[in-house]
Amino acid sequence: EADIYQTPRYLVIGTGKKITLECSQTMGHDKMYWYQQDPGMELHLIHYSYGVNSTEKGDLSSESTVSRIRTEHFPLTLESARPSHTSQYLCASSESGQGGTEAFFGQGTRLTVV
Amino acid sequence: DAKTTQPNSMESNEEEPVHLPCNHSTISGTDYIHWYRQLPSQGPEYVIHGLTSNVNNRMASLAIAEDRKSSTLILHRATLRDAAVYYCIGNRDKIIFGKGTRLHILP
Repeated sequence: EADIYQTPRYLVIGTGKKITLECSQTMGHDKMYWYQQDPGMELHLIHYSYGVNSTEKGDLSSESTVSRIRTEHFPLTLESARPSHTSQYLCASSESGQGGTEAFFGQGTRLTVV
Repeated sequence: DAKTTQPNSMESNEEEPVHLPCNHSTISGTDYIHWYRQLPSQGPEYVIHGLTSNVNNRMASLAIAEDRKSSTLILHRATLRDAAVYYCIGNRDKIIFGKGTRLHILP
C-alpha cells in the first residue's frame, strides 16, 4: 500500500481564487513529482523536486508553483485559478537513485475551475 | 532519458498471455526501463523495471532485448482487471510518460 496522500480528491472553485493542492508521503523519499492529466490524455510532468529546497519545472509549462520545505510535503499552488487549469493533478514520490527505483502515485486531485 | 514508442492499443482475450512491445532505440547504457500502468480513474502504478537482464515479479515479466533497444512486458494470464493504459519509460532521472498502450481484455 503506497503511503502517499493527496487532498482534496475533488475541488470545484471559482475563477480567480487561490488554491493549494496538498501532497504528502511518509516513505522518506527524496524525489517528488507533480503531473497534470486531462481525461483520456497522457500525463505531463509539471514540477519535480530532488529534495528539500530543490524544485524544478517539468516538461509542460505550468502557471502553478511548488515548494519543498519538508521532505514529506510537496504542495502545489495556483495563485489565480482559471478554467484552463481544470484537470487532474497527480503527485508521486520515489527514492533517489540512478533510475532504478519505483515511483508511488497518489490518487490525484480532480480540479474544476468554473 | 530515452524516447519510447508503443502501439496505441492492443486487444487480448481473457486468461491468455499478453505481450506488450516497446521500442527505445535511443536508450543510454544507464537508463532503466520501467513499466507502469494506469487503471481507469486511478493514478499510475508501478509494474516492473530492469536494466539489462530479464526480470520477473508477481505482476509480470520484462524481457529486454540484448541490444536494449526494445523490451516486452509479458502478462502471463490476462484478466479483466488488467485492462489499463501501459506505459514504457526509459529513465535515469525524471519519470516522463508517453502516450502508452491501451490494453483491452475481451471476456
